[in-house]
Amino acid sequence: AQSVTQPDIHITVSEGASLELRCNYSYGATPYLFWYVQSPGQGLQLLLKYFSGDTLVQGIKGFEAEFKRSQSSFNLRKPSVHWSDAAEYFCAVGLEGNFNKFYFGSGTKLNVKP
Amino acid sequence: GAGVSQTPSNKVTEKGKYVELRCDPISGHTALYWYRQSLGQGPEFLIYFQGTGAADDSGLPNDRFFAVRPEGSVSTLKIQRTERGDSAVYLCASSLTRSPGELFFGEGSRLTVL
Repeated sequence: AQSVTQPDIHITVSEGASLELRCNYSYGATPYLFWYVQSPGQGLQLLLKYFSGDTLVQGIKGFEAEFKRSQSSFNLRKPSVHWSDAAEYFCAVGLEGNFNKFYFGSGTKLNVKP
Repeated sequence: GAGVSQTPSNKVTEKGKYVELRCDPISGHTALYWYRQSLGQGPEFLIYFQGTGAADDSGLPNDRFFAVRPEGSVSTLKIQRTERGDSAVYLCASSLTRSPGELFFGEGSRLTVL
């Protein structure tokens, strides 16, 4: 069965520091990969997605993620975190050929210290 | 507004009662999704509509759950004989077929079954 693991439930970083959120998946073929962000009082918003091609993808709000097939990972990074980045981040996986059913990880809550 | 609208935002009901949750997607979005998010978990797929038809209902947990989208726009998720385990945030999302994987989520309907 497909699964998505986000090993860090909570992460706290200082404003201006770099950030990496981890995501690992279990799926035999190359999945479609996504990162969504959920801010308080708002719906989930897509940050970036990977279908194929260049394994380093750029997203909105200065985020990027790198697909590493050998590690079954799709970690999210940002070089300098802003206080407004405090939110919950979800990694999601879609199966090859199916854009309509996604498996989400349990999320990582990001706190930003001033 | 221009986003996905869900009503009610909060619903408290008693065990055994019937509940309806409504989703009004972004105008022009043909695809509509229902997900369920339990406390501390990521969203879990329930059902996907393309137009009026349910293209994939494999995530509905049992036959107490049913969803309709009669005119290809607004959708209603119906839960019969509610149980305490149905308590969760029910998320609706919509998307354009030409932008696969980019789901636009509503803020959700929080259901509490006492």
